[in-house]
Amino acid sequence: GAVVSQHPSWVICKSGTSVKIECRSLDFQATTMFWYRQFPKQSLMLMATSNEGSKATYEQGVEKDKFLINHASLTLSTLTVTSAHPEDSSFYICSARVQDTQYFGPGTRLTVL
Amino acid sequence: AQSVAQPEDQVNVAEGNPLTVKCTYSVSGNPYLFWYVQYPNRGLQFLLKYITGDNLVKGSYGFEAEFNKSQTSFHLKKPSALVSDSALYFCAPIYNQGGKLIFGQGTELSVKP
Repeated sequence: GAVVSQHPSWVICKSGTSVKIECRSLDFQATTMFWYRQFPKQSLMLMATSNEGSKATYEQGVEKDKFLINHASLTLSTLTVTSAHPEDSSFYICSARVQDTQYFGPGTRLTVL
Repeated sequence: AQSVAQPEDQVNVAEGNPLTVKCTYSVSGNPYLFWYVQYPNRGLQFLLKYITGDNLVKGSYGFEAEFNKSQTSFHLKKPSALVSDSALYFCAPIYNQGGKLIFGQGTELSVKP
């Protein structure tokens, strides 16, 4: 199956700093990638749809200036959490679509102190 | 409205017994239906999908699911559960081709020896 990687797998940062998370499709090209957020024991919440070469489409209630998404190539999308605060601590998961199926990365655990 | 329901927060099964994880979806066109599994602190792994054709779909790790249009259900099944099947399971339809996955709350499966 299609393989999606994320880096880093976990990160701890100080409040006010910015953190970048990378999502890569390893064995296929993905024009569309997705970014999700998951709280403990809860379902996934779609944050935005990342389209290669164009602006991301954000879900209602997601601050686009806080969660910057860049999809500069067909194998890489990045999510930058700017001026992070403790409430941004969460598990962030990306996915990439191959035809009709989304394949997910292993997730990134962000802890903001 | 486009939605999905997993009526059981948790399912407990003894190893070797058959398991069923339930999923029902709202009727809105002809959705594509997916099952994903999530192990602790990991991303989601694709198990199987129904697009069209045979109502019984076979997927990874011995799992299968049956599409039932009259009951708007897509229950996940396995004839003989393993302890290693213990994880969080998500049912997710897509209502428009190229659209977003709609995630349910997930069902925690616990398989005891």
